[in-house]
Amino acid sequence: RKEVEQDPGPFNVPEGATVAFNCTYSNSASQSFFWYRQDCRKEPKLLMSVYSSGNEDGRFTAQLNRASQYISLLIRDSKLSDSATYLCVVSPSGGSYIPTFGRGTSLIVHP
Amino acid sequence: DGGITQSPKYLFRKEGQNVTLSCEQNLNHDAMYWYRQDPGQGLRLIYYSQIVNDFQKGDIAEGYSVSREKKESFPLTVTSAQKNPTAFYLCASTVTGGRNEQYFGPGTRLTVT
Repeated sequence: RKEVEQDPGPFNVPEGATVAFNCTYSNSASQSFFWYRQDCRKEPKLLMSVYSSGNEDGRFTAQLNRASQYISLLIRDSKLSDSATYLCVVSPSGGSYIPTFGRGTSLIVHP
Repeated sequence: DGGITQSPKYLFRKEGQNVTLSCEQNLNHDAMYWYRQDPGQGLRLIYYSQIVNDFQKGDIAEGYSVSREKKESFPLTVTSAQKNPTAFYLCASTVTGGRNEQYFGPGTRLTVT
């Protein structure tokens, strides 16, 4: 079983739509969770951390469900510029500080 | 401005040649990492270093070597032993003891023919 799993998509949505991605992880000891955005042929960039209480940054909302071991990302009012691949990242507590990256979910927002 | 730099952006080499990719950071981060990304694939960890003069193999270290003589620098050498070196190489760094958010350099796209 892969440690971090994401639906690769692509998710093809019209501008203005709301879209949600889920990511499941297998290591119950995981402590830190993130969503990164990667544009084509560019480096991943941190989009937002995911906190236990859930957090929101403008049109983006991230949620963590420790009991079911998944995190989610909700994008409201999608823009053309949101088209990218969204990577789910899970880090262990202490120790080796080696995060595990999901393969990413591709989002295409069309006019 | 603080950040991570990688050079060059594009690199072309003939098969059988060793090549060294540069990664420098001025974020004062302790840990540095090298990843490889192939088209349509996720990131795979090559090597990482948590402190100066120490580094560990990642999942796909064969055919690669690194050094960490300075906190700011973590160069990666792709040797001729690496069977399929053409890929996008990403360097990242993080502050240890925090939430382990990684920050990435712009990457080097290596093509070996």
